[in-house]
Amino acid sequence: GAGVSQSPSNKVTEKGKDVELRCDPISGHTALYWYRQSLGQGLEFLIYFQGNSAPDKSGLPSDRFSAERTGGSVSTLTIQRTQQEDSAVYLCASSLDRGAQYFGPGTRLLVL
Amino acid sequence: GEDVEQSLFLSVREGDSSVINCTYTDSSSTYLYWYKQEPGAGLQLLTYIFSNMDMKQDQRLTVLLNKKDKHLSLRIADTQTGDSAIYFCAESGYNKLIFGAGTRLAVHP
Repeated sequence: GAGVSQSPSNKVTEKGKDVELRCDPISGHTALYWYRQSLGQGLEFLIYFQGNSAPDKSGLPSDRFSAERTGGSVSTLTIQRTQQEDSAVYLCASSLDRGAQYFGPGTRLLVL
Repeated sequence: GEDVEQSLFLSVREGDSSVINCTYTDSSSTYLYWYKQEPGAGLQLLTYIFSNMDMKQDQRLTVLLNKKDKHLSLRIADTQTGDSAIYFCAESGYNKLIFGAGTRLAVHP
């Protein structure tokens, strides 16, 4: 079956602009996660959604970052007023309940 | 605290076995995972082990878990050039995975 998909695959933006990153999880997976991968920080957890429960936002680095998950499926990660330090690969993963996480190919974000 | 450590680099000859080691800190982790990342790609789940097991074998992959020492290893038998990648160890934390920095495996003829 289809895996986790993410769009766009690459995004170049100017400092100060807003960006939206999209994630389509594996069909039927109840949990969805966002992580960020950067050279200096490795793989960092950002946010976790599970069904209709309130999301765990404890990994979001600042209030410029927000995420939504509509209808228990697709998720959008929004970064407002982007900064150069936001440049990274943003990875989405999904799982069945708290099972093994399956990752998408990532969105490579470059902030100029 | 939460911390997963791995050596950063491993070089092996094609056909030899590779062993990638990892230590973790949270003894309450239920599952431990190994992921593979090739250049420009996302993370591919290779295998995982439940914390009450001490070994799991899956074709060329063998995972060993020493829960007392909080030590996890991944052995790749008959390593091939296609195994060249970065390998990440991860432990299951609260609502998230906690990753090591990754071990870059280089396979040479």
